[in-house]
Amino acid sequence: QVQLVQSGAELKEPGASVKVSCKASGYTFTSFDINWVRQAAGQGLEWMGWMNPNSGNTGNAQKFRGRVTMTRDTSISTAYMELSSLTFEDTAVYYCARARSGSLHYYYYYMDVWGKGTTVTVSS
Amino acid sequence: SYEVTQPPSVSVSPGQTASIACSGDKLGDKYVYWYQQKPGQSPVLVIYQDTKRPSGIPERFSGSNSGNTATLTISGTQAMDEADYYCQAWDSSTVVFGGGTKLTVL
Repeated sequence: QVQLVQSGAELKEPGASVKVSCKASGYTFTSFDINWVRQAAGQGLEWMGWMNPNSGNTGNAQKFRGRVTMTRDTSISTAYMELSSLTFEDTAVYYCARARSGSLHYYYYYMDVWGKGTTVTVSS
Repeated sequence: SYEVTQPPSVSVSPGQTASIACSGDKLGDKYVYWYQQKPGQSPVLVIYQDTKRPSGIPERFSGSNSGNTATLTISGTQAMDEADYYCQAWDSSTVVFGGGTKLTVL
């Protein structure tokens, strides 16, 4: 079945970087974008960015520009999200999600499969 | 940047109809998606392209989108539907989430 398996929880100090992985299975990895979404405790979903695993092209939210890097290794169907210069406010659960996109009456873009999330805690 | 707005909370009695709104400028000119998230779980897609239900989503979930408002409707609401619901749109190559609505079934 289609699934995204994420790496385990991380504990980082302020100023450090974290790299989260997301391994896809059950479908052709290069056929769908991977998105990253985070959620702080008790808060809503916050979109971070997308990556096209085929081309490596990325797009991200203005808030994270210069601080987030999305990459992939197509040989192992795995996407990565690295967030640098961590602060306490980056403590959250980070999700990867597969996106479906295309054009009908309008352009469509939505996430149909989600990973279980990776908890990143920033603490001194 | 584009924004969509949801009410923080909605309450409904079991068996009644719950409606959750999502508003944004000319939202009816975009597709809207809805996700359900229960505590400690990942979000689950319940409506895509305004009105379509993914396989496995009960028929009591429906959606509409016109003008500046999209609506998620849950008919015959059950206790298991208590969750946070997020609307999502796509604008200028970015994903836009609403702030989420906590649906309480009481």
